[in-house]
Amino acid sequence: EIVMTQSPATLSVSPGERATLSCRASQSVSSNLAWYQQKPGQAPRLLIYGASTRATGIPARFSGSGSGTEFTLTISSLQSEDFAVYYCQQYNNWPPGGTFGQGTKVEIK
Amino acid sequence: QLQLQESGPGLVKPSETLSLTCTVSGGSISSSSYYWGWIRQPPGKGLEWIGSIYYSGSTYYNPSLKSRVTISVDTSKNQFSLKLSSVTAADTAVYYCALIAAAGHFDYWGQGTLVTVSS
Repeated sequence: EIVMTQSPATLSVSPGERATLSCRASQSVSSNLAWYQQKPGQAPRLLIYGASTRATGIPARFSGSGSGTEFTLTISSLQSEDFAVYYCQQYNNWPPGGTFGQGTKVEIK
Repeated sequence: QLQLQESGPGLVKPSETLSLTCTVSGGSISSSSYYWGWIRQPPGKGLEWIGSIYYSGSTYYNPSLKSRVTISVDTSKNQFSLKLSSVTAADTAVYYCALIAAAGHFDYWGQGTLVTVSS
């Protein structure tokens, strides 16, 4: 099983600042990596797939990069609505599904 | 606009079978472009993929749950369902249904339903 490890567990950032979240895979997942945002009491929302493609309606301040085993989600200028938990998910190994990281909480500094 | 809605009992007794249904609206569950899946999230914890199904009925399960999980599809009702047998308190979670793109990422999610396992 591919294990996904996210860091840090919690990231304290001031509004308007840049946030950088990391996700590491225990073996290569190529570019088969997605990022999700989850706010309290809500379902996760797809932000990024294919490691770097923004999903429909996602603001340009969200960007993804990386391939193989190292991935990054960058939020260029944090808005109040961006404080949430972010999960990465690999879907490299068929069947359709895959494993999630444990999440990074982005909180207000 | 595509919408997914989970339904089913919010309380299940230990050793019994958890049963949930996901109703899809605004799109056809018979689309060849997608898969459909279940994910769960224990209170305060992370996400766990449970399993997926194609409209043809082909199923794929998380190996850690495979012995207890059955996912089925009813194209006439535009629904797919989850059954998880022999539940314990560790199965208490919010259960989400989702549309899965062919590549494997979860495109759309239902709002989720909390299922508590308790006597």
